[in-house]
Amino acid sequence: DIQMTQSPSSLSASVGDRVTITCRASQGISNFLAWYQQKPGKVPKLLIYAASTLQSGVPSRFSGSGSGTDFTLTISSLQPEDVATYYCQNYNSAPWTFGQGTKVEAK
Amino acid sequence: EVQLVESGGGLDQPGGSLRLSCAASGFSFSNYWMNWVRQAPGKGLEWVANINEDGSEKYYVDSVKGRFTISRDNAKNSLYLQMNSLRAEDTAVYYCARGWGYLLYWGQGTLVTVSS
Repeated sequence: DIQMTQSPSSLSASVGDRVTITCRASQGISNFLAWYQQKPGKVPKLLIYAASTLQSGVPSRFSGSGSGTDFTLTISSLQPEDVATYYCQNYNSAPWTFGQGTKVEAK
Repeated sequence: EVQLVESGGGLDQPGGSLRLSCAASGFSFSNYWMNWVRQAPGKGLEWVANINEDGSEKYYVDSVKGRFTISRDNAKNSLYLQMNSLRAEDTAVYYCARGWGYLLYWGQGTLVTVSS
């Protein structure tokens, strides 16, 4: 199975800061990578698919990049409503796997 | 509007069985892969299983193989997860989600608690 490792596990940033979360796959997954945002008590929300394609309706401050084994989710200017846990997901081959999550907090 | 509504969760003992259901509406159910994803309390997301449009292909995470069975009834726009030989580590909120690959639509989830 492909393992997905996110870093950091948690971070604290000020409103307006640029935030970067990385996700590493244990083997190449091309661009079969999605990012989700989950707020406490809520259902996961798809942000990005195919590593870099922004889902409709998602603010443009979110962006994704990468291919193969190394991927990045960037929030260009952190907003208070971005406080959440973020997950990457491999869908290159079954079983699909999620990273362990990155909790983003505001200072 | 796409809607996915899970039901069937509850408390069961180790070794017991539960059947989860997911009622779909607002889209052509028979045209989509469907998935079950779970989240243990305070933990991350874990993909559990998926099934193709006509039910002929099914995939599972290793930890549930041989114990869980995913199925669907396209006439009833419904997805199911039969869970047997339940273990404490199966305790989680179970979500159904639509799609092959990335998951755009999710239900609200149903809580399964396995405890004696």
